[in-house]
Amino acid sequence: AQSVTQLGSHVSVSEGALVLLRCNYSSSVPPYLFWYVQYPNQGLQLLLKYTSAATLVKGINGFEAEFKKSETSFHLTKPSAHMSDAAEYFCAVTYTGANSKLTFGKGITLSVRP
Amino acid sequence: GAGVSQSPSNKVTEKGKDVELRCDPISGHTALYWYRQSLGQGLEFLIYFQGNSAPDKSGLPSDRFSAERTGGSVSTLTIQRTQQEDSAVYLCASSLDPGETQYFGPGTRLLVL
Repeated sequence: AQSVTQLGSHVSVSEGALVLLRCNYSSSVPPYLFWYVQYPNQGLQLLLKYTSAATLVKGINGFEAEFKKSETSFHLTKPSAHMSDAAEYFCAVTYTGANSKLTFGKGITLSVRP
Repeated sequence: GAGVSQSPSNKVTEKGKDVELRCDPISGHTALYWYRQSLGQGLEFLIYFQGNSAPDKSGLPSDRFSAERTGGSVSTLTIQRTQQEDSAVYLCASSLDPGETQYFGPGTRLLVL
């Protein structure tokens, strides 16, 4: 069984500040991990993914995440927040199984203050 | 190229009616997934198709829910005798193969009155 924990439901940062969104996973087999972003009234857009290659993964819009097996974590960071980063962010896990269905965390809403 | 498309974008129905939601995956993608996004439950997996077969239906919440996929392409999710708790955004995703990146459509927002 696999699961994802995203602590907290809302994060607020100032424009230009560091963004850190936390994700911890549980998986009995080596996981594939994803971060998706959802803007209001839109579908999910892939930010980045970890699939057992480099542990530091760079994605779109300046985001990156580091896979830490010892901490079962895959936290999302961005050095400097932009107003356009305001959205909901979902961490998801799957594995190379029969269907690779995604298991999502509850999501975190990011607000960016001017 | 075209992404995943879904129709309708919004659907309002009365309790007890049947609804059909459509998903057009990215051309050539063999795997297709349906998820549901609701306030109380977050994002939940419903069903997975590989080609036209559905080897995993484990997420369908009741026998009122069914889905099919034809020609290895378009999929339809049908909800019979809708209930208010079915109100949610229904998202479709497709991937080239299972295990590859899933690309999501914009969703169908269903409201059951």
